[in-house]
Amino acid sequence: QKEVEQNSGPLSVPEGAIASLNCTYSDRGSQSFFWYRQYSGKSPELIMSIYSNGDKEDGRFTAQLNKASQYVSLLIRDSQPSDSATYLCAVRAGNNRKLIWGLGTSLAVNP
Amino acid sequence: GAVVSQHPSWVICKSGTSVKIECRSLDFQATTMFWYRQFPKQSLMLMATSNEGSKATYEQGVEKDKFLINHASLTLSTLTVTSAHPEDSSFYICSTRLAGGTDTQYFGPGTRLTVL
Repeated sequence: QKEVEQNSGPLSVPEGAIASLNCTYSDRGSQSFFWYRQYSGKSPELIMSIYSNGDKEDGRFTAQLNKASQYVSLLIRDSQPSDSATYLCAVRAGNNRKLIWGLGTSLAVNP
Repeated sequence: GAVVSQHPSWVICKSGTSVKIECRSLDFQATTMFWYRQFPKQSLMLMATSNEGSKATYEQGVEKDKFLINHASLTLSTLTVTSAHPEDSSFYICSTRLAGGTDTQYFGPGTRLTVL
C-alpha cells in the first residue's frame, strides 16, 4: 500500500474555475504536509505547507488538512492556464524527517 | 524560502564515464541536503540524505559505490555518478532543509543527465 496517494489525473478545469486536488496518507502519526508544483522539465517549487487541522489560505491557494480522515487537499481558486502543472503532495511521517512523496496530480487549466 | 543552485543544468556523457553534480545553498547553511532522481512521467525518488561532515544515508536499493555523495561544507554537496550507463539517464535534483526549522525542502533547478 502506497504511503501517500494522489489521483494521477489529468484533472482538467476551465479557466477561472476552482481546481481541487486531493491527497491521502497512511501514517496517522504524520506531522507536516506540503504541496509542491512541478512544471514539465523543472524541479518542484513549494506552494504551501500545513501542520494543523483546518484551512490555510495563501492568495488563490487554500490547503485543507483533516488528520482524522488522513487527507490533505489543495484548492486553487480562479485557475489560470499558468497553473497547469503537476502537483505533488509530500508528507513527513513520524520521527523520520524525510518526506514521503505522492506520484502527483496533473492539472490542465483550459483557456 | 531558500535559494539552491545546481551545476551543471544538463550534461551528456559517454557510457563508462563519471559525472559530478554540485548542489549549493546560496543564502543559508544547509546541514542536510537530499538527492532525488526523477524518471520521465514518474515522481521523485529519494536517493540519499546528505549530512554535512558525515557519511550520506542511502535509500534502499541505491548503490552507494555508484552514487558517491560528498557534503564537505555547509553550502555544498556533490553527487558523483560513477561509471554511468544509459539507464542512469535521469533528472537529478537536490534539495535542502533549513537547519532547526521546519521540514520544508527547497529544491535546486535540477540536472538532466543523458548517458550515451
